[in-house]
Amino acid sequence: LAKTTQPISMDSYEGQEVNITCSHNNIATNDYITWYQQFPSQGPRFIIQGYKTKVTNEVASLFIPADRKSSTLSLPRVSLSDTAVYYCLVGDYIRVDTGRRALTFGSGTRLQVQP
Amino acid sequence: DAEITQSPRHKITETGRQVTLACHQTWNHNNMFWYRQDLGHGLRLIHYSYGVQDTNKGEVSDGYSVSRSNTEDLPLTLESAASSQTSVYFCASSDLAGDTGELFFGEGSRLTVL
Repeated sequence: LAKTTQPISMDSYEGQEVNITCSHNNIATNDYITWYQQFPSQGPRFIIQGYKTKVTNEVASLFIPADRKSSTLSLPRVSLSDTAVYYCLVGDYIRVDTGRRALTFGSGTRLQVQP
Repeated sequence: DAEITQSPRHKITETGRQVTLACHQTWNHNNMFWYRQDLGHGLRLIHYSYGVQDTNKGEVSDGYSVSRSNTEDLPLTLESAASSQTSVYFCASSDLAGDTGELFFGEGSRLTVL
């Protein structure tokens, strides 16, 4: 499994853009990069997934450089409700024909948004 | 709407007792997972299943077992509960055929072993 490294915590203020970077130096060719968000007392929730370059949805953007050894989750104009733990995952568990490897979560990045 | 539900949401038990946590999903997903979450450890994978009669050990499987007799359910059993198994347990499911690989999580089951 590709190991991921993220900052333990980050602080921001409402209205700012937040970028959380994840390192995954031994990412495999078939691996996708996925980010989840978790609020206290809730299960994690899928935010975004990508393979290369840039992916954008209504919640966030995901930037992946050409070497794919890192990725950056970008949250535009955060609000207090974005205070949560964010997990970066790397894996390819859905591709049964390439070998089954279930996704594992690291400790995540705790984002605190201040007023 | 389809959903994934866990029960019980809270349970207190004693050391040595057998405990079963239920997980039921109505999406007809092939993949189901059990994680535990402790302070400072994020989520750690206990067991997972890619279909009926398929079960696999995760990174922290000792003391736990699962069975998959149908698509909808993956119960997690603690054969002899230990205080070290006090934790919050999350069940998740995903669709093998899906492109996004999105995991759908339940609300969690908080287990306290005294």
